[in-house]
Amino acid sequence: AQKITQTQPGMFVQEKEAVTLDCTYDTSDPSYGLFWYKQPSSGEMIFLIYQGSYDQQNATEGRYSLNFQKARKSANLVISASQLGDSAMYFCAMRDDPQHDKVIFGPGTSLSVIP
Amino acid sequence: KAGVTQTPRYLIKTRGQQVTLSCSPISGHRSVSWYQQTPGQGLQFLFEYFSETQRNKGNFPGRFSGRQFSNSRSEMNVSTLELGDSALYLCASSSPRQGIHEQYFGPGTRLTVT
Repeated sequence: AQKITQTQPGMFVQEKEAVTLDCTYDTSDPSYGLFWYKQPSSGEMIFLIYQGSYDQQNATEGRYSLNFQKARKSANLVISASQLGDSAMYFCAMRDDPQHDKVIFGPGTSLSVIP
Repeated sequence: KAGVTQTPRYLIKTRGQQVTLSCSPISGHRSVSWYQQTPGQGLQFLFEYFSETQRNKGNFPGRFSGRQFSNSRSEMNVSTLELGDSALYLCASSSPRQGIHEQYFGPGTRLTVT
């Protein structure tokens, strides 16, 4: 069965420092996609970055990069130069059927950026 | 381009009542998915609609139902409300075009059942 694990319930990072949020996943499907979403206190889910299982390079989007280690089934999010506005819940998610939009979410990591 | 809109934003209902939530996807998006978010269970997939057809369903009781209209707008209905149905209900839309992977989420409807 598909499963997403995020082992860090809460994280603190100093402003302007980099932080890594961990995510491991489990699927038996060779074709899948991995996502990271940010959810501020307002509640809206904001898409950050996507990594396909067949992508050869790690995905990057501005200050966000995804450290994809397929053999370890790991998809960690790296946020560089943290900003106060990065304080939010971060969810790792997976879709293992590219034809459908059923996405499984991890439990989330609460990130707090300290000035 | 307008984002995903959900109405109402907040709702208070009594146990045993029913409720209907609405979601308008981004223009041109034909896939709409619904999720329930609670502190205890996290984010859980409810169902997905594409071109007025339900093509995926999560592990929820039959009290939870949905539909999609020809303009891609979607509604979800919860009948015989229980206290445990109190949650943030999120709707997301996506485009089936190649290379478009992400779902765009609405602001959610916060349902409180008393």
